Amino acid sequence: QQPVQSPQAVILREGEDAVINCSSSKALYSVHWYRQKHGEAPVFLMILLKGGEQKGHDKISASFNEKKQQSSLYLTASQLSYSGTYFCGTLLVQGAQKLVFGQGTRLTINP
Amino acid sequence: KAGVTQTPRYLIKTRGQQVTLSCSPISGHRSVSWYQQTPGQGLQFLFEYFSETQRNKGNFPGRFSGRQFSNSRSEMNVSTLELGDSALYLCASSFGQYNEQFFGPGTRLTVL
Repeated sequence: QQPVQSPQAVILREGEDAVINCSSSKALYSVHWYRQKHGEAPVFLMILLKGGEQKGHDKISASFNEKKQQSSLYLTASQLSYSGTYFCGTLLVQGAQKLVFGQGTRLTINP
Repeated sequence: KAGVTQTPRYLIKTRGQQVTLSCSPISGHRSVSWYQQTPGQGLQFLFEYFSETQRNKGNFPGRFSGRQFSNSRSEMNVSTLELGDSALYLCASSFGQYNEQFFGPGTRLTVL
């Protein structure tokens, strides 16, 4: 089941904050976040694991609410380089290798 | 370490033809996954290989197949191409229990 991301698109000015949400109808083991710039491959940002462990980016934070099966990605004091499409990917069980991605959130940062 | 490489980068085929795409993972990565990316459907999981065995498969028709070699390199084949197969095909390799995906640049396939 594909996770649902919101919003679908957001436009910010440099320095503003953004929150991107990812919701699943199924219990999750982990949530991955990736950023894809136009014409490039997706790049890994962060993993959030059931139980609260995080692994990833030092300038971007995220949370994982296990009760709601929802993850949020927080982009604070956004920079022009943050522009791109953000995807969340979900794994249902530990060791599962089938990553299911959301539809993506397009983030545009203007100067 | 060198990143994931994919060849060719661009491909134009006609309906009914078949195509083979290649992916070389990061050295030491034994898991290779393939994804199809289109504007309408986003990133769709095709299949995943580990130690030459297909461990997971997405919801794609049997025209889509793959394999992995002993050096972890992987190929993906699409037979009897359809217009709807036009997409960016991404390969990703991973290592370890958390399965963070390291993506290659992709192969842009256009079916005419």
